[in-house]
Amino acid sequence: DAKTTQPTSMDCAEGRAANLPCNHSTISGNEYVYWYRQIHSQGPQYIIHGLKNNETNEMASLIITEDRKSSTLILPHATLRDTAVYYCIIEGYGNKLVFGAGTILRVKS
Amino acid sequence: DTEVTQTPKHLVMGMTNKKSLKCEQHMGHRAMYWYKQKAKKPPELMFVYSYEKLSINESVPSRFSPECPNSSLLNLHLHALQPEDSALYLCASSQPTGRNTEAFFGQGTRLTVV
Repeated sequence: DAKTTQPTSMDCAEGRAANLPCNHSTISGNEYVYWYRQIHSQGPQYIIHGLKNNETNEMASLIITEDRKSSTLILPHATLRDTAVYYCIIEGYGNKLVFGAGTILRVKS
Repeated sequence: DTEVTQTPKHLVMGMTNKKSLKCEQHMGHRAMYWYKQKAKKPPELMFVYSYEKLSINESVPSRFSPECPNSSLLNLHLHALQPEDSALYLCASSQPTGRNTEAFFGQGTRLTVV
């Protein structure tokens, strides 16, 4: 299974863009990059996923480098409610969704 | 309906008790998962069911016994647990078709073993 490396924690000012990096240098050609977040004491919530191209939805944008060895999740206008642990996950064979340590994002007013 | 419902929300059990955690979804998903999460740690994958068959067991001790009676239900039977098994147990579901699919998580059952 491909491993991911994320910063332990990040701070972001409310209203500014939050850019969360993830390294996944051992990713295989057909493995997707997924992002989930977990707000305190709740179940994880899906944010976005992608294979090669950049993706955008109502929550965030996902930028994947051309060599696919890293990606960045962008929350365009962070709010206090975006404070959470953000997990970058490479989904393994057989729906194997394995969480790494994640990044604690603190949005501050 | 995009919910995964877990019951009970909280459970306290003794080390000699037998109890079950339940998970239900009505999204037509054919892959269902159990995760265990200790405080300040990421969720750890325990089991994956695909089309009601156990497809992944992450070397979980036999005191945890999963069951998928139909495509909407997932149970986790607990027997002779230890205090270190106290954790938040999360259920999730998704489509099993390839890898281009999101998983939906329940809010978890907070288990305390005394």
